Amino acid sequence: EPEVTQTPSHQVTQMGQEVILRCVPISNHLYFYWYRQILGQKVEFLVSFYNNEISEKSEIFDDQFSVERPDGSNFTLKIRSTKLEDSAMYFCASIKQGASGSPLHFGNGTRLTVT
Amino acid sequence: KNQVEQSPQSLIILEGKNCTLQCNYTVSPFSNLRWYKQDTGRGPVSLTIMTFSENTKSNGRYTATLDADTKQSSLHITASQLSDSASYICVGFTGGGNKLTFGTGTQLKVEL
Repeated sequence: EPEVTQTPSHQVTQMGQEVILRCVPISNHLYFYWYRQILGQKVEFLVSFYNNEISEKSEIFDDQFSVERPDGSNFTLKIRSTKLEDSAMYFCASIKQGASGSPLHFGNGTRLTVT
Repeated sequence: KNQVEQSPQSLIILEGKNCTLQCNYTVSPFSNLRWYKQDTGRGPVSLTIMTFSENTKSNGRYTATLDADTKQSSLHITASQLSDSASYICVGFTGGGNKLTFGTGTQLKVEL
């Protein structure tokens, strides 16, 4: 069964550094998402992406965050200048277009640790 | 503001026993209600998806119910197994934007 893959599984970075988290969504899916989960807390929506543009973003997704689909395959989340509070699990997810009754498929996440 | 609340926060049961997890949701515009299972360190995996017209849906030993009038849902796990130990997350799905609102989850531990 096709799956969403994320790399790296764990990223350690120093405060103020830029990080790029990578995701390969399921190939025939057209809606893409980034979520984050701070340790012990609930999953939080960051951004949704469709047709090569952001369709919705949360208040968490400020100017330090950006998303890109550079090559029609990868879907990336960039944090320009990381802060300690950015430490979390970041999950990528994808779903078929117009299939609101279909499950969202999540990757296994990237654990980001900012020191 | 869309919200999903779950109870209990955590639960310990013996292997073979049944349990029921609860979810109250306020999601607008409501499209469907989902239950996900999240193993430690992994991404959530979909268990069930229910629209407002569906009262109950089963997936193996998992049975979800939905009361659209009271905006409540439950997930019943039958004959629990050690591998059922995980966080179970109730999620509201809004139409138009395909946005999910997550609950905080119920941490289930199944013991021998």
